[in-house]
Amino acid sequence: DSGVTQTPKHLITATGQRVTLRCSPRSGDLSVYWYQQSLDQGLQFLIQYYNGEERAKGNILERFSAQQFPDLHSELNLSSLELGDSALYFCASSIGLARSTDTQYFGPGTRLTVL
Amino acid sequence: AQSVTQLGSHVSVSEGALVLLRCNYSSSVPPYLFWYVQYPNQGLQLLLKYTSAATLVKGINGFEAEFKKSETSFHLTKPSAHMSDAAEYFCAVSPRNSGNTPLVFGKGTRLSVIA
Repeated sequence: DSGVTQTPKHLITATGQRVTLRCSPRSGDLSVYWYQQSLDQGLQFLIQYYNGEERAKGNILERFSAQQFPDLHSELNLSSLELGDSALYFCASSIGLARSTDTQYFGPGTRLTVL
Repeated sequence: AQSVTQLGSHVSVSEGALVLLRCNYSSSVPPYLFWYVQYPNQGLQLLLKYTSAATLVKGINGFEAEFKKSETSFHLTKPSAHMSDAAEYFCAVSPRNSGNTPLVFGKGTRLSVIA
């Protein structure tokens, strides 16, 4: 158990809908990352937050957005869903911003299926 | 930009045989390097990481990896495969001295262990 929790574990929805994925980082971790894992694209970084502020953006679509709240949990919002958005979405957390060597701890993921 | 290549999307070994999973990075400055493992229906777990101390890094579950600058490689090995090692393995990189940045992952190598 990494200490990172994600809800829900599975999500099935229809095209055009909007969903919210939730992540709680490990106790004491200030950085949260979101990654998307799909068969064709592999593991891709979406977005990073540190202590409530956006710090880095990767291959995140404009239909997707995220935020980190004062209690440090984060939510990833996916809207106008398309079939191709079906994937595993992982959240990871790390202690801060100081060093690239800090370990990122991954949650169990949310499997999104868009029908 | 940092990138990482994992040679072989699927590797199959017999139980008790040597495990060798290949990872090469592309960067003018050697990055920090990580190996993660993903068991079925689970999140990613850190196996080991290279942070420029010893070039031979020992990780969990008997795995180790050697950083070779001349070959831009960070191959993962285990002397004797166990059935429980069957999983997906990901090599990842993070640039040096740039704060806590997102990881760039390889495509992954699925390891099968045959009894």
